[in-house]
Amino acid sequence: GENVEQHPSTLSVQEGDSAVIKCTYSDSASNYFPWYKQELGKRPQLIIDIRSNVGEKKDQRIAVTLNKTAKHFSLHITETQPEDSAVYFCAASIWSNYQLIWGAGTKLIIKP
Amino acid sequence: SQTIHQWPATLVQPVGSPLSLECTVEGTSNPNLYWYRQAAGRGLQLLFYSVGIGQISSEVPQNLSASRPQDRQFILSSKKLLLSDSGFYLCAWKGLGYEQYFGPGTRLTVT
Repeated sequence: GENVEQHPSTLSVQEGDSAVIKCTYSDSASNYFPWYKQELGKRPQLIIDIRSNVGEKKDQRIAVTLNKTAKHFSLHITETQPEDSAVYFCAASIWSNYQLIWGAGTKLIIKP
Repeated sequence: SQTIHQWPATLVQPVGSPLSLECTVEGTSNPNLYWYRQAAGRGLQLLFYSVGIGQISSEVPQNLSASRPQDRQFILSSKKLLLSDSGFYLCAWKGLGYEQYFGPGTRLTVT
């Protein structure tokens, strides 16, 4: 079955710098890759996603890239701000399945 | 627009007591519904999912069970809670699209 690995587990960056979180997946049939942000004590919220027919997607300071050949996808956050501090989860799924397979999460710390 | 509700928001229960958590979705029909558990500082563990009324798939064999008595209602139950059942319980729904959306969660502490 599908397996998703996420790195790093903790990432500390200076405010204003960029942050990159990477995930790899094992099943080449996976075709949907979302990213969720979870603030302390809150529910995970979908912040951006990408489908396998697209190599990159951008939404303001957030972008996701997908490399289907290498089976990895990454979340890029530019000009980081204190409110970006949270745990970020990646996931992968095959459209015909009902489940998301989740990465273990990355705690992003923005240093002032 | 779609809305997902969970209650209660917080719960403190003694070991061995029963549990019932409820999740309801508004503004959509025949959603896929999911129960996740998140232990403190950990990731998301899928417990159950349902693709329709009365259809439940279990991902983790344990002392929990789930039921879907109505199209937009999903219930998580236990007859006897364990200390290890403590955590943040999240219900989620998925419609015809790819995206999965979470409810506000129930924080359960078993004492």
